[in-house]
Amino acid sequence: AQTVTQSQPEMSVQEAETVTLSCTYDTSESNYYLFWYKQPPSRQMILVIRQEAYKQQNATENRFSVNFQKAAKSFSLKISDSQLGDTAMYFCAFMKRGEVRGKLIFGQGTELSVKP
Amino acid sequence: TAGITQAPTSQILAAGRSMTLRCTQDMRHNAMYWYRQDLGLGLRLIHYSNTAGTTGKGEVPDGYSVSRANTDDFPLTLASAVPSQTSVYFCASSVRSGAHNEQFFGPGTRLTVL
Repeated sequence: AQTVTQSQPEMSVQEAETVTLSCTYDTSESNYYLFWYKQPPSRQMILVIRQEAYKQQNATENRFSVNFQKAAKSFSLKISDSQLGDTAMYFCAFMKRGEVRGKLIFGQGTELSVKP
Repeated sequence: TAGITQAPTSQILAAGRSMTLRCTQDMRHNAMYWYRQDLGLGLRLIHYSNTAGTTGKGEVPDGYSVSRANTDDFPLTLASAVPSQTSVYFCASSVRSGAHNEQFFGPGTRLTVL
């Protein structure tokens, strides 16, 4: 069975600085997808970035980038130039390629506070 | 477009009562999902539907049932609520399951069972 672990329950960063959120996962699969979702206080889950395991290049979306280390089973999220609107709970998630249930396996979440 | 709507936003329910959480999407997505979110556990899949007319069990299906009569609607029913079902419930949808397609989430329903 796959598991996703986020070892940082809470983090804080000053506005305009850079912060990295950690995520590790355990799987015997070789083909899979990894995601970072953001959940602001409004409770709405929003996809931030995704990575396909067969792609060696790290995904980037504006100020958000990932460091995907397949051998180490690590998938960290880097937020550059942090903004107050980045304050949210961040969830790392895993999906096996071809998963017929479409099941996302989520980590426990990291609560990020961006301070002015 | 509205995306995914859920109703009610929140509810307090007496143990033993039944309740249906409603979910509607207007994106014509084939796949729909119900998750529950609990502190320290992230989100866990309750039930899913790959297409209208089909449903399947997720990770934590006990005490819940679903139906998928059409593409747009995917209600979740608690037949006899128990306090352990106190949670925030999210409905989600995607173009199809089993791929890297983004799952779009509704705003959630906060349910308290007393």
